[in-house]
Amino acid sequence: DARVTQTPRHKVTEMGQEVTMRCQPILGHNTVFWYRQTMMQGLELLAYFRNRAPLDDSGMPKDRFSAEMPDATLATLKIQPSEPRDSAVYFCASERDNYNEQFFGPGTRLTVL
Amino acid sequence: GDSVTQMEGPVTLSEEAFLTINCTYTATGYPSLFWYVQYPGEGLQLLLKATKADDKGSNKGFEATYRKETTSFHLEKGSVQVSDSAVYFCALSLYASNTGKLIFGQGTTLQVKP
Repeated sequence: DARVTQTPRHKVTEMGQEVTMRCQPILGHNTVFWYRQTMMQGLELLAYFRNRAPLDDSGMPKDRFSAEMPDATLATLKIQPSEPRDSAVYFCASERDNYNEQFFGPGTRLTVL
Repeated sequence: GDSVTQMEGPVTLSEEAFLTINCTYTATGYPSLFWYVQYPGEGLQLLLKATKADDKGSNKGFEATYRKETTSFHLEKGSVQVSDSAVYFCALSLYASNTGKLIFGQGTTLQVKP
């Protein structure tokens, strides 16, 4: 049963610290998305990649957030420095091109104190 | 811009009641429409989808019909169960533009009581 995996599942950190979240997309899926979910804003698309190339990161605060795909099996989302307003659940999703269905990981719950 | 509007929750029903969650959209092109479900502590899962006008998506007893004339994609189920308690998200994607991006509604929480 192929699944998107995310690590860590929970992260508590202090303001100013660097946070790195990792995602392993489903093998063979060539499009990877990063979302953020909060009670106030709902689900927001932060960035996404196709064939490891960034296609759109307009939803991401550029000064502190960065997203990369070092290889086809790993996507990372980094926040440096973190702020309390970054507290949220961060989801990764992957999709096989033209299949019209995104598969979501279980999320990383981030708390910034 | 493109957007999705869902009825506000929470929706509270008794087991075996009929469910409707309203969803309307605004899109400049010809979107595909989706319902995703999020169970507590989990990521979203695709529940059903429809890619063109008058298509009906169905899964696990849930149905939704793509109505272009009313720009709607309402979710229905004839008899809900306690296990259907979750947050339901309506979404659209302009796949014709090859972006693959999903635009989500704000989500509707469904609570089913025994």
